[in-house]
Amino acid sequence: QKEVEQDPGPLSVPEGAIVSLNCTYSNSAFQYFMWYRQYSRKGPELLMYTYSSGNKEDGRFTAQVDKSSKYISLFIRDSQPSDSATYLCAMDDYKLSFGAGTTVTVRA
Amino acid sequence: DAGVTQSPTHLIKTRGQQVTLRCSPKSGHDTVSWYQQALGQGPQFIFQYYEEEERQRGNFPDRFSGHQFPNYSSELNVNALLLGDSALYLCASSLVRENIQYFGAGTRLSVL
Repeated sequence: QKEVEQDPGPLSVPEGAIVSLNCTYSNSAFQYFMWYRQYSRKGPELLMYTYSSGNKEDGRFTAQVDKSSKYISLFIRDSQPSDSATYLCAMDDYKLSFGAGTTVTVRA
Repeated sequence: DAGVTQSPTHLIKTRGQQVTLRCSPKSGHDTVSWYQQALGQGPQFIFQYYEEEERQRGNFPDRFSGHQFPNYSSELNVNALLLGDSALYLCASSLVRENIQYFGAGTRLSVL
C-alpha cells in the first residue's frame, strides 16, 4: 500500500465548474499537508499548505484536512482554462511523500 | 527574490556515464532536498541536505550521491547511469524548522 493515494484522473470540467481533488494517506505522523500544481514538463508550484487539521482558503482555492479520516481535499471554485494542470498532494514527515497527481483539464 | 534555480535544464547522457546536477536554494533557505520524477508519477524523495550533511535518504542506490556547500547550494551526482535513471530531477529548498518545500523547474535527464 502506498503512503499517499491520489486518483490520477484525468478530470475534465467546463469553465466555471468546481474542481474537487482528494488524497488519502496512511502515515499518522504527517503534519504538513500541501498541494502543488505542475504544468507539463515544469517543476511543481506550491499552491497551499495546511498544518494539522482544518480548512484554509486562498482566493478560489480551499484546502481541507481531516486527520481523523486521513483524508485531504482541494477545491477550485470558478475554474479557468489556466487551471488546467496536474495537481499533486504532498505530506511531510521530514521528506515529502507525494500522490501520483491528478490531471485536470478545464474546457473553455 | 530568486526562487530555486537548477542547472542544466536538460541533459542527455549514455549508459554508464556520470552526471552532476546543480541547485541553488531560495534566498534564506538552509535545507535542500532532491527528488526524482518519472513520467506520469509523483516525485520520489532521494535525499535531503542540511548543514552540509545528508540528513535523510530515500530508497535510492549508492550511485546517487550529493553534496551541500557552505552557501547552501547543492549538487546531485549519479554514477553508472542506467536507462531507468531517465527522469525529471527536482530540487526543493526549505527551512529546517518548517518543512514547506519550494521546487525548482527541474533538470530533465535522458539516458540513451
